[in-house]
Amino acid sequence: KNEVEQSPQNLTAQEGEFITINCSYSVGISALHWLQQHPGGGIVSLFMLSSGKKKHGRLIATINIQEKHSSLHITASHPRDSAVYICAALFGNEKLTFGTGTRLTIIP
Amino acid sequence: NAGVTQTPKFQVLKTGQSMTLQCAQDMNHEYMSWYRQDPGMGLRLIHYSVGAGITDQGEVPNGYNVSRSTTEDFPLRLLSAAPSQTSVYFCASSRDSTAYGYTFGSGTRLTVV
Repeated sequence: KNEVEQSPQNLTAQEGEFITINCSYSVGISALHWLQQHPGGGIVSLFMLSSGKKKHGRLIATINIQEKHSSLHITASHPRDSAVYICAALFGNEKLTFGTGTRLTIIP
Repeated sequence: NAGVTQTPKFQVLKTGQSMTLQCAQDMNHEYMSWYRQDPGMGLRLIHYSVGAGITDQGEVPNGYNVSRSTTEDFPLRLLSAAPSQTSVYFCASSRDSTAYGYTFGSGTRLTVV
């Protein structure tokens, strides 16, 4: 069965801290997506990666294909980073399976 | 650029009623998909389409129909609404599901009473 697991479910940190959110999946995938869902409910695509590492501003996403694991890092976290972060794995070419999300709260 | 437009944003239905959730994109994306999001669960794929005239089922297709007559539009039809279909629905599109990120609509919050 295609499964995606995220940890932690909830994360509270102080402003400025380095944040890591983890995602593991059960079998081989075509690609791994990281999404951000704001308190208002909108979903934004952050990264899509199939190998290595990608960086955008203070966000970094990595994937280890052999270990079936991906991480999302946030450097110098800010209260505006507070959101739900979701990883989703593309099994085959057409169907995304989503993790249940990590609720991140950054305290000023 | 409008991106992905979903309508309506909110809807209340009575059990047994039918309705269509609209999804339109102006990015000429071939891939479009519908998801539902329920508390405590990840988003789940309902139906998807890899191009005009082509649709296929996702993880939770029962009770929903789709069609893709144009590249731009991908409506989701609830044939006979049930309380179990109370959820938030998202439409998303991508130029290519294997190589590009997804653009999501703003969601439709549906309540079936």
